[in-house]
Amino acid sequence: AQSVAQPEDQVNVAEGNPLTVKCTYSVSGNPYLFWYVQYPNRGLQFLLKYITGDNLVKGSYGFEAEFNKSQTSFHLKKPSALVSDSALYFCAVRDGVSSASKIIFGSGTRLSIRP
Amino acid sequence: DTAVSQTPKYLVTQMGNDKSIKCEQNLGHDTMYWYKQDSKKFLKIMFSYNNKELIINETVPNRFSPKSPDKAHLNLHINSLELGDSAVYFCASSQLDYGYTFGSGTRLTVV
Repeated sequence: AQSVAQPEDQVNVAEGNPLTVKCTYSVSGNPYLFWYVQYPNRGLQFLLKYITGDNLVKGSYGFEAEFNKSQTSFHLKKPSALVSDSALYFCAVRDGVSSASKIIFGSGTRLSIRP
Repeated sequence: DTAVSQTPKYLVTQMGNDKSIKCEQNLGHDTMYWYKQDSKKFLKIMFSYNNKELIINETVPNRFSPKSPDKAHLNLHINSLELGDSAVYFCASSQLDYGYTFGSGTRLTVV
C-alpha cells in the first residue's frame, strides 16, 4: 500500500525568502504525485502534479516541486514566499491510474509566511 | 461556474438524526469520491464511484451510504449520526489526468 509522509507540521518563513515543504512517499509501482493547498474554510486546490518526464514540475502561484526517485521525495518549493502563501499544504500519491485507484494524502504542513 | 458543488455548506444536527449531503460535478468526470477531514485536518478516503458503480469502500461504518444516481452526482446519506461523525466532508471528481477536483466541503457538526 502507498503512503505519504510530511515530516513538518508547520513551516515558518519570512516574506521574500525561499520556502520548502517536505514530502516523502512510498509506492509499489510508478508514483503519481500531487501537491494541494487548502486555505481556511475552503476546499483543496490543485497546485501541481508529477506523472512522468522532467523531475522539476512547475505549478500554480509560482510553486514548483522536484521529484527525486532515489530519495523517494517530492518537496514543494518557491523561490520567494508571499504572505498570501500562508495555508495548509498536502502532498499526495496515487496508487495507479485505474478507476479503482485512489489518492492518499499526507498529514499536511501548515505554512506561515511572516511579513 | 462551480466545477464540483456540495450542499449544504454547513450542517448542524443532533445525535441520532439522519442527514444527507449532495454533490454534483459538471466536469464530465467518470469517477467521484467522498473524503472525510477530521479536526486535525487529516484527509481519509471513504468511497469512490466510477460511472455509478461503487469502486472503493474504505471500512466506513454502514451508517454511511453513498448513492450515485448518475455519474455527475454522488450523495452521502448518514444514519443515526454520532458525535464522532463531526468533520468536514469533501466531494471530489477525477478523470484520466490523475488529479482530483474538490468541492468546497460540508462542515457537519453533531451536537
